[in-house]
Amino acid sequence: EIVLTQSPGTLSLSPGERATLSCRASQSVSSSYLAWYQQKPGQAPRLLIYGASSRATGIPDRFSGSGSGTDFTLTISRLEPEDFAVYYCQQYGSSTRTFGQGTKVEIK
Amino acid sequence: QVQLVQSGAEVKKPGASVKVSCKASGYTFTGYYMHWVRQAPGQGLEWMGWINPNSGGTNYAQKFQGRVTMTRDTSISTAYMELSRLRSDDTAVYYCAREGRYCTNGVCPFDYWGQGTLVTVSS
Repeated sequence: EIVLTQSPGTLSLSPGERATLSCRASQSVSSSYLAWYQQKPGQAPRLLIYGASSRATGIPDRFSGSGSGTDFTLTISRLEPEDFAVYYCQQYGSSTRTFGQGTKVEIK
Repeated sequence: QVQLVQSGAEVKKPGASVKVSCKASGYTFTGYYMHWVRQAPGQGLEWMGWINPNSGGTNYAQKFQGRVTMTRDTSISTAYMELSRLRSDDTAVYYCAREGRYCTNGVCPFDYWGQGTLVTVSS
């Protein structure tokens, strides 16, 4: 099973700042199979990024994904008030899908 | 539009079983795998397994092998997840999620999610 480790656990930032979230895999993940989700309190997760760097339909371009192999990054270029949430990475290349433990982006 | 509508909250005693439903609409139910993911209070997302609605084939996370059963009824476009021998640490919100668009080599992330079903296990 591929274990995904996200860091930091919590990111305290102000609106307008840049957020950089990390996701590290225990073994190589084909970048075609790495996704990022956003989850707000009381809501189901929402797909942001697939294939490590492609935005899902309707996702603003302030969200970008990058990385390959075992190291992946989600960047939010300028935080908007609605971006404060928990973010999860997921690998979907193996029959056993796994999620990272999440990074909470909170208002400083 | 695609919708996944789950059944309502459940309260169960330890040792009992729970069966959660997920009714799909707005697309061809048999064309997309359905996954189940759970989230304990204040915790992260935990993948439980998938069902192929077309064939009924399943794949479960090792952690849940022997306790979880995923089924479907294609006549009503509904997927089910049954978890048996419930324990207090099974208290969680259970989500169904469609493996849908944005595919590579037939493998796709989860593009639509149900609203979640809270299962509380308490004596």
